[in-house]
Amino acid sequence: DAGVIQSPRHEVTEMGQEVTLRCKPISGHDYLFWYRQTMMRGLELLIYFNNNVPIDDSGMPEDRFSAKMPNASFSTLKIQPSEPRDSAVYFCATGRPYGYTFGSGTRLTVV
Amino acid sequence: AQSVSQHNHHVILSEAASLELGCNYSYGGTVNLFWYVQYPGQHLQLLLKYFSGDPLVKGIKGFEAEFIKSKFSFNLRKPSVQWSDTAEYFCAVGNTNAGKSTFGDGTTLTVKP
Repeated sequence: DAGVIQSPRHEVTEMGQEVTLRCKPISGHDYLFWYRQTMMRGLELLIYFNNNVPIDDSGMPEDRFSAKMPNASFSTLKIQPSEPRDSAVYFCATGRPYGYTFGSGTRLTVV
Repeated sequence: AQSVSQHNHHVILSEAASLELGCNYSYGGTVNLFWYVQYPGQHLQLLLKYFSGDPLVKGIKGFEAEFIKSKFSFNLRKPSVQWSDTAEYFCAVGNTNAGKSTFGDGTTLTVKP
């Protein structure tokens, strides 16, 4: 089991550019979550899916953020346009009611 | 709505000291309870979990947690901490009928050698 795979591990981009973060969940896990972590705000749930369907996107900060899960093996989180305040570590997690498995995260820096 | 409260934001201990991190939750139904650990620069990892049965749950690396239903608490304990336990610890509560868990704000543990 390769676990939850996120790419890229690090991303540095200029303000105004589009950023796409990717997540490959563990096979058979029917929930997928996108979290953002910063020193100031801690761990924030952005959006989560159940069986590829978005269930709750109330944590998505602005319309600049969008997430998709076209199939059970892939999800993306897109920021367009990016801003310096989007700098954070973005985690993807998958699981069921009995616990999450987190990916290693994508450290995004917007300059 | 579920909520989780971790009262200690930062705990500093010396090696071999005993640890107890508090976690209280608010939810009226049947819950699943979790503790996650995040070592510096790493992602969150599941430390232990409670679904039902024995309220004293043992996890990895010598950690344990006790579910006290009457107090809505799920405190994390370890009898003797090591420098390598330095990390941030998150308590989380989940609904048995849904996949989403609610996380506490985390407690940073610093263990001095």
